[in-house]
Amino acid sequence: DGGITQSPKYLFRKEGQNVTLSCEQNLNHDAMYWYRQDPGQGLRLIYYSQIVNDFQKGDIAEGYSVSREKKESFPLTVTSAQKNPTAFYLCASSNRGYGYTFGSGTRLTVV
Amino acid sequence: AQRVTQPEKLLSVFKGAPVELKCNYSYSGSPELFWYVQYSRQRLQLLLRHISRESIKGFTADLNKGETSFHLKKPFAQEEDSAMYYCALRVDFGNEKLTFGTGTRLTIIP
Repeated sequence: DGGITQSPKYLFRKEGQNVTLSCEQNLNHDAMYWYRQDPGQGLRLIYYSQIVNDFQKGDIAEGYSVSREKKESFPLTVTSAQKNPTAFYLCASSNRGYGYTFGSGTRLTVV
Repeated sequence: AQRVTQPEKLLSVFKGAPVELKCNYSYSGSPELFWYVQYSRQRLQLLLRHISRESIKGFTADLNKGETSFHLKKPFAQEEDSAMYYCALRVDFGNEKLTFGTGTRLTIIP
């Protein structure tokens, strides 16, 4: 069953802690993306990767980091430097010309 | 930088009435435009893209370069059309990166 899996679905973090969100795909897509979804602000791009071992900052990369060591995996770390990390995070992947396939999202709450 | 504007955060339409969700973009070149939809408790998914010139679930959208618009239309709304709709723009044909609008929540009134 092909698709994108994001885990966990819900995540709670204490202030000052780093936390890593998982994103795995078995679609053999080259490109992967992380977006942040906030009410009234739509989807904003955090980081994206077009190939393994390469990634670029999106519009709101500050306070986040990523890695792309395998084609299937694109984990996102929310660091303590992110001032307002409570949000819904969406991972997506794409292959040329076919649009995005999205994961089901991770809701991160800072407590 | 490119930008996508969806002026309506909320839109309510009676069942059977026509639907139009507005999308305007700012980009001087030739972009590729998309509509994505998120139904309740489902993942965000592609609805249609202008390059395909197709009709999906009765929805169509025409790219108007003069008005820099890509409005989504359906002649007769159905209750199952209630969802969150996002317009998106791709400008760099070297990669698939999309810029999204802020979204419009469409509610169909029975």
